[in-house]
Amino acid sequence: GQNIDQPTEMTATEGAIVQINCTYQTSGFNGLFWYQQHAGEAPTFLSYNVLDGLEEKGRFSSFLSRSKGYSYLLLKELQMKDSASYLCAVMDSNYQLIWGAGTKLIIKP
Amino acid sequence: ETGVTQTPRHLVMGMTNKKSLKCEQHLGHNAMYWYKQSAKKPLELMFVYSLEERVENNSVPSRFSPECPNSSHLFLHLHTLQPEDSALYLCASSQGLAGGPETQYFGPGTRLLVL
Repeated sequence: GQNIDQPTEMTATEGAIVQINCTYQTSGFNGLFWYQQHAGEAPTFLSYNVLDGLEEKGRFSSFLSRSKGYSYLLLKELQMKDSASYLCAVMDSNYQLIWGAGTKLIIKP
Repeated sequence: ETGVTQTPRHLVMGMTNKKSLKCEQHLGHNAMYWYKQSAKKPLELMFVYSLEERVENNSVPSRFSPECPNSSHLFLHLHTLQPEDSALYLCASSQGLAGGPETQYFGPGTRLLVL
């Protein structure tokens, strides 16, 4: 079956760096997405990786290794507003998004 | 208005009620989606419409009935729901036809409670 795994919850300190991992097993691969979702709000698009390597976008970076079925989202210089859930999703061979359950990130002062 | 909007934001209904959720996208997109989000579970895709035609129905119970009158509007009609249907219902849209690596843009969702 298809499966996306990510930690349920993580805690980090304001100003620090945190890495949120995502591993996947899917039938085919057409890219991996990361979304941010604040409580009670819409998921918002952060990044899309389809080739191996690191994509940097300001304080956020996303890494992909297709051979390992692995991705991570790296958040630098953490701010309180980064407290949210981070959703990993893989687009399978049918271009359907398979979602992880999300990682709740708690930022402490 | 910009982006994807959903109404109502919150809904409480009894099991015998009939209600409808509304979604509107102001992005000029051609594909629209309904998802169910339950606590600590992955998003579940319910329905996909591309150019107003349903292209995906992931074995959703018939008590959920979608309607897409045009590419900007999407409805989810609800009737005789069960308490386990309580969840956040998210609408999304994407630029191209469903069937390509398109980024989906989400509305804020309708928080539904079935009593």
